[in-house]
Amino acid sequence: DAMVIQNPRYQVTQFGKPVTLSCSQTLNHNVMYWYQQKSSQAPKLLFHYYDKDFNNEADTPDNFQSRRPNTSFCFLDIRSPGLGDAAMYLCATSGGQGVEKLFFGSGTQLSVL
Amino acid sequence: GEDVEQSLFLSVREGDSSVINCTYTDSSSTYLYWYKQEPGAGLQLLTYIFSNMDMKQDQRLTVLLNKKDKHLSLRIADTQTGDSAIYFCAEKGGYSTLTFGKGTMLLVSP
Repeated sequence: DAMVIQNPRYQVTQFGKPVTLSCSQTLNHNVMYWYQQKSSQAPKLLFHYYDKDFNNEADTPDNFQSRRPNTSFCFLDIRSPGLGDAAMYLCATSGGQGVEKLFFGSGTQLSVL
Repeated sequence: GEDVEQSLFLSVREGDSSVINCTYTDSSSTYLYWYKQEPGAGLQLLTYIFSNMDMKQDQRLTVLLNKKDKHLSLRIADTQTGDSAIYFCAEKGGYSTLTFGKGTMLLVSP
């Protein structure tokens, strides 16, 4: 049973064309995260929501936005994708307290042409 | 800021033990984690250790923590081909979110 679901699995977009990646969860977790992962690099946190509170990392480009309309769903919007934004985007959730175990989706591989 | 370092690659034979090492810089780390990523998949939590512990064992997995040296290791006993994956070390300090290392690719040959 998938608990953190990301759609689509693969996304191809054109340079400068807005794109939205989606994530849903069945765990009822308070916290949802978006990570960017490039080849041979550490997953890089872009932002996270604790309930409705949005927390942006200081070095996340303005080009990246997020929405969380309810507990279950979270979206990553890339307003004007550049070639450097091609990466795997990982959504994760956690209960938000104590050990903070993260549950990851399978990711969306974004290609920018 | 916090930094987590890992060696990039480890190759072992099936049945041997694997030891993956990690160092971190944040002295206020409260929890340290090992995640596994198989090709084309998300990260999966394998195990974690609280910073006041020095060892944790979970079936074939043994985690050792040297807090003085800020060194964490993951030992996998009787390594199988299905253990081939990328292993990420991560740490959590205080109220911060997790910081991940770049990952160690483990290749297990028959």
